[in-house]
Amino acid sequence: DTAVSQTPKYLVTQMGNDKSIKCEQNLGHDTMYWYKQDSKKFLKIMFSYNNKELIINETVPNRFSPKSPDKAHLNLHINSLELGDSAVYFCASSQESSGVGETQYFGPGTRLLVL
Amino acid sequence: SQQGEEDPQALSIQEGENATMNCSYKTSINNLQWYRQNSGRGLVHLILIRSNEREKHSGRLRVTLDTSKKSSSLLITASRAADTASYFCATVRGGSYIPTFGRGTSLIVHP
Repeated sequence: DTAVSQTPKYLVTQMGNDKSIKCEQNLGHDTMYWYKQDSKKFLKIMFSYNNKELIINETVPNRFSPKSPDKAHLNLHINSLELGDSAVYFCASSQESSGVGETQYFGPGTRLLVL
Repeated sequence: SQQGEEDPQALSIQEGENATMNCSYKTSINNLQWYRQNSGRGLVHLILIRSNEREKHSGRLRVTLDTSKKSSSLLITASRAADTASYFCATVRGGSYIPTFGRGTSLIVHP
């Protein structure tokens, strides 16, 4: 009955590869997010997506792309992986019917290591 | 630009003591949220305080918000070893719904 789940938990891959991380939420929320947490624990928003709009942090390279097959899923695709992409990636969801920011529910994280 | 900044960066206390962490921000906000992250885990929501609120409680947690000083504090009373974690504040600016996280305070509670 996990609320927000991510797979895989660990991902080790070579530079230049393309990889995907999957995220699913069973909370019925309308908005999902991807965050990147670096080695210093700084958590940076990458994408926010609901059925109305995709908001992209302009600092995110276009090698990263979110894909949402339905309201409960937001997957993260990464092309041409680079060493600097190594980090922990968190998926989160919230119910943003008010549009003023509500509690976020986080997944357990995916630890990506690019060699 | 980054909104919330937690202070101190690290805090080490004995079990039973109180722990206070502060968060400062720069622009007007809709709300401010506190989260806990245990090592190797995802973030867990603790308390959300809206811009028109001044104080909220949840168990041993007390959060205050001073919008005139653009600051918030998280107080954990009678700390336990299990409170050892990183604590993050996240601010939601006016006109947005996306929170911006600070770098966190690393709390160690010694048994």
